[in-house]
Amino acid sequence: GAVVSQHPSRVICKSGTSVKIECRSLDFQATTMFWYRQFPKKSLMLMATSNEGSKATYEQGVEKDKFLINHASLTLSTLTVTSAHPEDSSFYICSARDQGKNTEAFFGQGTRLTVV
Amino acid sequence: LAKTTQPISMDSYEGQEVNITCSHNNIATNDYITWYQQFPSQGPRFIIQGYKTKVTNEVASLFIPADRKSSTLSLPRVSLSDTAVYYCLVGDIAAGNKLTFGGGTRVLVKP
Repeated sequence: GAVVSQHPSRVICKSGTSVKIECRSLDFQATTMFWYRQFPKKSLMLMATSNEGSKATYEQGVEKDKFLINHASLTLSTLTVTSAHPEDSSFYICSARDQGKNTEAFFGQGTRLTVV
Repeated sequence: LAKTTQPISMDSYEGQEVNITCSHNNIATNDYITWYQQFPSQGPRFIIQGYKTKVTNEVASLFIPADRKSSTLSLPRVSLSDTAVYYCLVGDIAAGNKLTFGGGTRVLVKP
């Protein structure tokens, strides 16, 4: 079945540094991918919609300069958390649908970010 | 996007059937109903999707009444490994349409 892969699965970084998270669709193409953030015991919160070849669409309250999204190919979207701070520590998850089919969305395994 | 309402939590025992009902009163004509399962520190995993009546696969059944304002996920004979959070999502399944998560239902299966 369709697979979405994230890398890394967990990362620890120092305050003020930037971290890049990759999301790949392994066996299908996706013109659109989605990035979510999840805090402990909370639901997934949609951060932004990543659009291949164009700018991402951010949800209200999400800083686009803080969370840089690049969707340079039909199988790869990246989320960069810039100048990370401890409050950015969270579980980040990406999602994508096969653009050739109207089916369920597939989710990556998530990336646990800890900023110290 | 149709808003969904689910119970916050449910307890069950191994071998029992678990039924989780989701309310989505303002579901639109093009919307499908999709259920996901999430274990701690993992991404959500697709369980089942339907538009109307009943859908069944190897892990669950989904019951949708004629008015489509609610749906019920049925997990037959649960085991301890079914302890997870279950999310009901409603929306157009076209590839570019975003999915918005509600609160989910935390299911605890006891021995």
